[in-house]
Amino acid sequence: AQSVTQLGSHVSVSEGALVLLRCNYSSSVPPYLFWYVQYPNQGLQLLLKYTTGATLVKGINGFEAEFKKSETSFHLTKPSAHMSDAAEYFCAVSGDGNNRLAFGKGNQVVVIP
Amino acid sequence: EAGVAQSPRYKIIEKRQSVAFWCNPISGHATLYWYQQILGQGPKLLIQFQNNGVVDDSQLPKDRFSAERLKGVDSTLKIQPAKLEDSAVYLCASSLGAPSNTQYFGPGTRLTVL
Repeated sequence: AQSVTQLGSHVSVSEGALVLLRCNYSSSVPPYLFWYVQYPNQGLQLLLKYTTGATLVKGINGFEAEFKKSETSFHLTKPSAHMSDAAEYFCAVSGDGNNRLAFGKGNQVVVIP
Repeated sequence: EAGVAQSPRYKIIEKRQSVAFWCNPISGHATLYWYQQILGQGPKLLIQFQNNGVVDDSQLPKDRFSAERLKGVDSTLKIQPAKLEDSAVYLCASSLGAPSNTQYFGPGTRLTVL
């Protein structure tokens, strides 16, 4: 079965500082990897995804993530945090043929002015 | 392009009552998913439909939960009878169906069971 580990449920970052959210996955097949963001009382919105090809993936709102097969990781970064980045972020993996997504527990990001 | 629609947005019921949630996916999306998101956790897949057939319902508590997708478009998720532990946000998502395709999520229904 596929799974995702996200450590540190709450992440505090100063405005203008680097945002780094870690994601490690487990999959017996080549994975498809996703990062979603969830704002309060809203559904999940796709930030970026890795399917095949270039391992550095750029997404919306200045976020990017790098797929590292040797480390089974797909960490999310943004060079400079903005107040509007305060939200919950979920890493997810699929690829078992049925497109079922297995989500991590999420990171609640707080941006400190 | 219209997104995934869900209703109601909020529902409060007493335990042992029944409740139903409705979802209208993005037009043309063959695959529809229902997820349960308990506070502080990531979404967990309950059931996946391909058109109007069930692909995966392995994590659906079938003694109390049921879902249908008539005519391969709209879907309804029902809980009968509800338990306290069913308090959660129920998210509907849709996609074109391939594993690499993006799943698009609706705003969710927040259920509180008292």
